[in-house]
Amino acid sequence: GQNIDQPTEMTATEGAIVQINCTYQTSGFNGLFWYQQHAGEAPTFLSYNVLDGLEEKGRFSSFLSRSKGYSYLLLKELQMKDSASYLCAVVDSNYQLIWGAGTKLIIKP
Amino acid sequence: DADVTQTPRNRITKTGKRIMLECSQTKGHDRMYWYRQDPGLGLRLIYYSFDVKDINKGEISDGYSVSRQAQAKFSLSLESAIPNQTALYFCATRTGTDTGELFFGEGSRLTVL
Repeated sequence: GQNIDQPTEMTATEGAIVQINCTYQTSGFNGLFWYQQHAGEAPTFLSYNVLDGLEEKGRFSSFLSRSKGYSYLLLKELQMKDSASYLCAVVDSNYQLIWGAGTKLIIKP
Repeated sequence: DADVTQTPRNRITKTGKRIMLECSQTKGHDRMYWYRQDPGLGLRLIYYSFDVKDINKGEISDGYSVSRQAQAKFSLSLESAIPNQTALYFCATRTGTDTGELFFGEGSRLTVL
């Protein structure tokens, strides 16, 4: 079967750095997305990785290792507004999106 | 105004009632999707459509039906609602590529009593 694993919940301090991991086992791989979802709101796009390595976008970076079936989202200089759920999704061999259950990130002052 | 609009945003109904959730978009995308989100679970695909004449079942289509009335409109129906269909429903659109990002509507929270 296809599986995406993320931690259920993480807590971090304002101004700090946090890394949210995502491991996957899917039938094929055509890319990995990260989305941010504030409580009760729609998911919004953060990043897309299809090649190995780190991609940086302001305070957010996303890393991919296809050989290890692993990705992480790195958030720097955390702000209270970063409190949200972070969803990992893999594009499988049929170009369908397989979603993880999401990681709820709690930021404390 | 939002690029992807869902109505209603909230709905409470009773078991056995027919419910329709509507989605319209101004992004000009051909691909439209209906997802369901439950606490502790990932987004699950109900139906998707690549154009007006192309509608496909997702992983959890039982108990649901859809209609693609136009490129910009994609409706989800629950013919006879049951309590385990209580969930947050999202409509999404995507460009005509297999790896494009999804653009989500604001969501429709449905409660079936």
